[in-house]
Amino acid sequence: GAVVSQHPSRVICKSGTSVKIECRSLDFQATTMFWYRQFPKQSLMLMATSNEGSKATYEQGVEKDKFLINHASLTLSTLTVTSAHPEDSSFYICSARVEDRGSYNEQFFGPGTRLTVL
Amino acid sequence: RKEVEQDPGPFNVPEGATVAFNCTYSNSASQSFFWYRQDCRKEPKLLMSVYSSGNEDGRFTAQLNRASQYISLLIRDSKLSDSATYLCVVNLPNQAGTALIFGKGTTLSVSS
Repeated sequence: GAVVSQHPSRVICKSGTSVKIECRSLDFQATTMFWYRQFPKQSLMLMATSNEGSKATYEQGVEKDKFLINHASLTLSTLTVTSAHPEDSSFYICSARVEDRGSYNEQFFGPGTRLTVL
Repeated sequence: RKEVEQDPGPFNVPEGATVAFNCTYSNSASQSFFWYRQDCRKEPKLLMSVYSSGNEDGRFTAQLNRASQYISLLIRDSKLSDSATYLCVVNLPNQAGTALIFGKGTTLSVSS
């Protein structure tokens, strides 16, 4: 399967700082990338979907001004958690897909980034 | 109502046991169906797709009933290495195309 990387794998920061997480598709071009968040013992919750070169589409309840997503190229998407607070502490996982043709194309997941805000 | 619902478990079974997980989904527009496996503090990994005709991969059998919007996973001859959280997943249309929507997961613990 295709490989998706995330960086950093773990970050600990003080409340009020901003944190940028990078997601890269290493051996394929990802038309669409997804960002998920998972709290302990909860399911992965879709935060937003981004198509290369266009603005991200956020799920209901996700603040677009707090979670800034940039998908500037077919191999890179970034998620910036602005002014992070302890309640933002979570496991953030990105996923990449080649293209959506109406039928299913597999989503490949990154290894995740564990964010802890003190 | 949540899009995908699963019994969270945990299911604690001995090695060699057969265990079944159930899942229901609420949106009839769901297009594709999957079971993923997630180990502690790791990303989810695709276990198998689920088809209406039912499909089998070794010790794992998945079934889909579109009429009742129900998905199942059967694991035979459980191994210690099967211990993980099993996520029921559907592919749903959204504003940006389609996206995978996850259930909360069912935790399986296989003991010797």
